[in-house]
Amino acid sequence: DSGVTQTPKHLITATGQRVTLRCSPRSGDLSVYWYQQSLDQGLQFLIQYYNGEERAKGNILERFSAQQFPDLHSELNLSSLELGDSALYFCASSVVGTTNEQFFGPGTRLTVL
Amino acid sequence: GENVEQHPSTLSVQEGDSAVIKCTYSDSASNYFPWYKQELGKRPQLIIDIRSNVGEKKDQRIAVTLNKTAKHFSLHITETQPEDSAVYFCAASQNNAGNMLTFGGGTRLMVKP
Repeated sequence: DSGVTQTPKHLITATGQRVTLRCSPRSGDLSVYWYQQSLDQGLQFLIQYYNGEERAKGNILERFSAQQFPDLHSELNLSSLELGDSALYFCASSVVGTTNEQFFGPGTRLTVL
Repeated sequence: GENVEQHPSTLSVQEGDSAVIKCTYSDSASNYFPWYKQELGKRPQLIIDIRSNVGEKKDQRIAVTLNKTAKHFSLHITETQPEDSAVYFCAASQNNAGNMLTFGGGTRLMVKP
């Protein structure tokens, strides 16, 4: 157990819908990262937050957004869902926003029908 | 941006043999190189990492080597066991405004008893 929690574990929804994925980092970690893992794209970085502020952006679609709250938990919002958004979404956390070990949560499996 | 190539994509070894997985990276500014092990449907787990100020690091049966000049790093697993069977990912990161991980495509390691 990495100490990073994610809810829900599984999510099944329809195209065009909107969902919210939640992540709680390890105690003391200020930085949260979101990654998408699909069969054809591998593990891809989406976005990073550090102490409530957006720090870096990767291959995140405009339909996706995220935020980090004062208690440091983070939410990833996915809207206008398409079949291709079906994937495992992982959250990771690290102590600070610099080069440090990232510990991954158990992931949320999103299935878009 | 950074690009990480990983080889081979699949690797089958006999129990007790050694396994070697190789990665190359493109950005000479990258200075942190973790390796993750991922079992089917589970989260990536950090197994070992190396920073650019060292050339080799060992932890029991696993070791990682780094050649900054050639921009490549490798994972070595000795005395493989069936429980080593998993997908292994290498990654690269920089210590800058955002230290997101850029992952290689993964290597599926199968250890045959």
